[in-house]
Amino acid sequence: QQQVKQSPQSLIVQKGGISIINCAYENTAFDYFPWYQQFPGKGPALLIAIRPDVSEKKEGRFTISFNKSAKQFSLHIMDSQPGDSATYFCAASFYSNYQLIWGAGTKLIIKP
Amino acid sequence: DTGVSQDPRHKITKRGQNVTFRCDPISEHNRLYWYRQTLGQGPEFLTYFQNEAQLEKSRLLSDRFSAERPKGSFSTLEIQRTEQGDSAMYLCASSFLQGDGYTFGSGTRLTVV
Repeated sequence: QQQVKQSPQSLIVQKGGISIINCAYENTAFDYFPWYQQFPGKGPALLIAIRPDVSEKKEGRFTISFNKSAKQFSLHIMDSQPGDSATYFCAASFYSNYQLIWGAGTKLIIKP
Repeated sequence: DTGVSQDPRHKITKRGQNVTFRCDPISEHNRLYWYRQTLGQGPEFLTYFQNEAQLEKSRLLSDRFSAERPKGSFSTLEIQRTEQGDSAMYLCASSFLQGDGYTFGSGTRLTVV
């Protein structure tokens, strides 16, 4: 009930393409769904987040799509660039305490 | 105040030794979190503070681990009698009481030999 399942484990995308990473959760009480980007040797950095009252949120090239009925959410990176190469984590939490439950991560490589 | 600072960045210690890490959060943030991350995995929650009160502690945190946040400012995480399984990146993060998102530090990488 507490797990967040993330796929794929790794992803290679050509420069300019669309990168798509998916996550699924079980606990319907989760009400906050962030995506983090992590470069080697650095802590995760918040990329974009969504709450279940909206189905989509866009910030620049990054979009979260949220499907409440399917208990799934995904990250889309448009016009992917080599600088986007990093590990991406989805997470979920209860807004009240912000203890994040993390997916296992997706290593994204953008080929020039 | 440019972010969350963690010290040291790297620590190599012999099994059985005690180690202590420090985290300086963003000064306006009320909440401070400790997570542990092993290679190829997402971070795992260890504990969090609201101001100086430690409100939640994971079952992952054995009796050898202790965390403090005196005066609600910086925090320390101590590991006593380190074991090889403690080798990981220890991440600190802070956030507002209400609001979105954590800010993470760059972590302390612990290697127990």
